[in-house]
Amino acid sequence: GAGVSQSPSNKVTEKGKDVELRCDPISGHTALYWYRQSLGQGLEFLIYFQGNSAPDKSGLPSDRFSAERTGGSVSTLTIQRTQQEDSAVYLCASKGPAGGDYNEQFFGPGTRLTVL
Amino acid sequence: RKEVEQDPGPFNVPEGATVAFNCTYSNSASQSFFWYRQDCRKEPKLLMSVYSSGNEDGRFTAQLNRASQYISLLIRDSKLSDSATYLCVVNLSGGYNKLIFGAGTRLAVHP
Repeated sequence: GAGVSQSPSNKVTEKGKDVELRCDPISGHTALYWYRQSLGQGLEFLIYFQGNSAPDKSGLPSDRFSAERTGGSVSTLTIQRTQQEDSAVYLCASKGPAGGDYNEQFFGPGTRLTVL
Repeated sequence: RKEVEQDPGPFNVPEGATVAFNCTYSNSASQSFFWYRQDCRKEPKLLMSVYSSGNEDGRFTAQLNRASQYISLLIRDSKLSDSATYLCVVNLSGGYNKLIFGAGTRLAVHP
């Protein structure tokens, strides 16, 4: 079946503008994660949604970042008043129903955000 | 101290070589462990899980030492196609489901 999809694949914006990044998880996956990866760096956890539970927002770097997940499926990551340091690849991952700690996270191809 | 630490490399090895990567983690409550592979400008993909007893998948062997909070990945008979960045990943205590990624170790296999 289809994997995790993300849109847009590339986004160039001007400093101070708002951006929205979209993630479509694998159908039936209850967990959804957002990460970001700066050039040459590891993945930085941003936020985690699990079913109808309150999301874990502990990784969001500032209040300019927010995310929502509608209907337990599609998720949108919003960055307000973008700054140049927000430039990175934003990766979404989804994970199947609870079945143990070894369930694999499947990643989307990412959105490459460039803030000029 | 980073939660998951890896030698960034790069490891430059000839085809056929055996290469080992190490990783240490700081949270003793960590429950599950993985190696992910990330090709240049691509998303990470699961390479293998790491079980307490150690596990092998073809040319790849993963080991876990909980007492030392240390994970390893051994690649035998390296292929050109093994060139990638290998990410050590740790999941905190059961049910929390938050993966902590190391910054990765880059491997370059040359002819």
